[in-house]
This record gives sequence, structure tokens and C-alpha cells, in this order.
Amino acid sequence: GENVEQHPSTLSVQEGDSAVIKCTYSDSASNYFPWYKQELGKRPQLIIDIRSNVGEKKDQRIAVTLNKTAKHFSLHITETQPEDSAVYFCAGAMDSSYKLIFGSGTRLLVRP
Amino acid sequence: DAGVTQSPTHLIKTRGQQVTLRCSPKSGHDTVSWYQQALGQGPQFIFQYYEEEERQRGNFPDRFSGHQFPNYSSELNVNALLLGDSALYLCATYTGSGTDTQYFGPGTRLTVL
Repeated sequence: GENVEQHPSTLSVQEGDSAVIKCTYSDSASNYFPWYKQELGKRPQLIIDIRSNVGEKKDQRIAVTLNKTAKHFSLHITETQPEDSAVYFCAGAMDSSYKLIFGSGTRLLVRP
Repeated sequence: DAGVTQSPTHLIKTRGQQVTLRCSPKSGHDTVSWYQQALGQGPQFIFQYYEEEERQRGNFPDRFSGHQFPNYSSELNVNALLLGDSALYLCATYTGSGTDTQYFGPGTRLTVL
């Protein structure tokens, strides 16, 4: 069935370092891959998304790469800051209106 | 997104009871999806409503049902509550643009005792 696997489950980095979170998906029909940041007790907030017609997308310190052949996509955060500390979820879907299949989340801790 | 609202914020019920949760979409959004997020896990898709009909459904039992109103707001109903239904219930709304994305509401924290 549809599945999205996410690694690592926890990630601790020093402020200023880069952080990388990786996801793989099983449904080859998936064409839309958003990333959400969720702070404790808050709603998931979309931070970046990518569609299958591009291989990479960047927004300031955040970038996402997609390899459709290998069915994996990654989130890259550069120059991390303590306020980047949160749980990050990847997701996959057939398109942006379709049901989102979420990964299990990565708890990112940025040490000052 | 600030435009999506949900009520109530928190809710405590006992096993066997029924609960209704509500979602008001962001202005211009006509599609509402519901997700269940258990503690420490990613959200799981329950179902999606569009034009007042259930359009997609995840792997949830029939105890979970919903409704969408003409103003696009939506309700999630859960009957015969179980302890395992304790979770954060999120709605996400969307408009029919091919380049738009889903925006989540703040969620309703349901505790079943």
C-alpha cells in the first residue's frame, strides 16, 4: 500500500550546521511532496513543497530535492538556528488536492 | 494557516460516547480533509469532502463519519469512542487550483477516558 518512510527519527545539530532529512515513498503515482514543520502543540505548517516536474526547489535556507526514479526526496536546512527546532514531516500525494500520506516525523534539535 | 479554524480546541469524553468536531475553511477553499494525529506520530488521513460529498476515505472504521455544509464548513463525527481515539484531529482545506496546497487548522485535542 501507500507508505512514506522518513529518517532519521531524531537529529541533533549545532547551530550554523546543516540538517538533512530523507524520505522514501512507495506509490509511483505520487507527484506532490510537501514538507511540514510542527512545533509542540501547534498545527503542521507548510515550509516547502515540490512537484514531480522539478528535481530541486529552494527557499532561502531551505531546499528540497526529488529523485523520482529512486522514489526519494530530501529536506535540506542550511545555517540552522535554534528556532528551527521542531518536528518535521514529509508527505506524498498524487497531487496537492489528494490525501497526504505522512512520514513518521523527524525531531530536529538545534543546539545553541 | 490562520484562515482555517476548528472548534472546540480541547475536548474530554468517556468511552462509548459520541463527539462532533468542526472545521471552517480558509476563505475561497471548498475542499476539507480530516486527519488524526496520535501522539508522536504523523497525521493519518481520515476522509475528504468536496461539494458536500465524501470524495476520498482512508483506513478508518465507519464509526468515523463526516459532513460538509453548503458554506464548505465540515464536521467530523466519531461514535462509540475508544481510548485509542485520543488524538489531535486536524482539518486541512484546499481550493481547486492546481498549484495550491492544503492548509491545516489548529486542531482539536480529543481525550477519551
